[in-house]
Amino acid sequence: KNEVEQSPQNLTAQEGEFITINCSYSVGISALHWLQQHPGGGIVSLFMLSSGKKKHGRLIATINIQEKHSSLHITASHPRDSAVYICAVSRTSGSRLTFGEGTQLTVNP
Amino acid sequence: NAGVTQTPKFRILKIGQSMTLQCTQDMNHNYMYWYRQDPGMGLKLIYYSVGAGITDKGEVPNGYNVSRSTTEDFPLRLELAAPSQTSVYFCASSYPRTDGNTIYFGEGSWLTVV
Repeated sequence: KNEVEQSPQNLTAQEGEFITINCSYSVGISALHWLQQHPGGGIVSLFMLSSGKKKHGRLIATINIQEKHSSLHITASHPRDSAVYICAVSRTSGSRLTFGEGTQLTVNP
Repeated sequence: NAGVTQTPKFRILKIGQSMTLQCTQDMNHNYMYWYRQDPGMGLKLIYYSVGAGITDKGEVPNGYNVSRSTTEDFPLRLELAAPSQTSVYFCASSYPRTDGNTIYFGEGSWLTVV
């Protein structure tokens, strides 16, 4: 069993829908990261969080440390949100990350 | 401020050839990493470095070597390329903070071994 599990693996939505991607992990962590990978490969860090909730534009990330679970929400989804979303955890500050396998999101117009 | 720069972006190698993927960052980050990403799979750590002169193996180090002579540069060497090394390679860097650290990725290097 992977230390970081994401669901769903694939997600197709219509423009404007509210989207949720889930991440569960099985180890103690110091931080959890949400990353975005666009077609063509570039990877961008969206959020790093160790507790609570963070918001950036239409993106919201939450984490429940007790339940070892995080969610990434996208409000009012748009075709340009189509990408692979990756959850990753670090066990100690500055340490290497363990990655989930990613969620392929496709938003249709 | 260029961030993390890796070269080349694309390369085709013949079995048994060797090559070096270059990675440089201009953010004065201590931590640097090399990952590979196979189709449909998550990123796997090949090697990492916590500072100049210090390197360590990740999950999938076989067939690779690294060096870290400066803070800025972290090249990845492939010796005797094999088809199993066909993958997309990402270099990344980060700076450790007590509240965690944001990680920055290069654009990726697509390598095909034939």
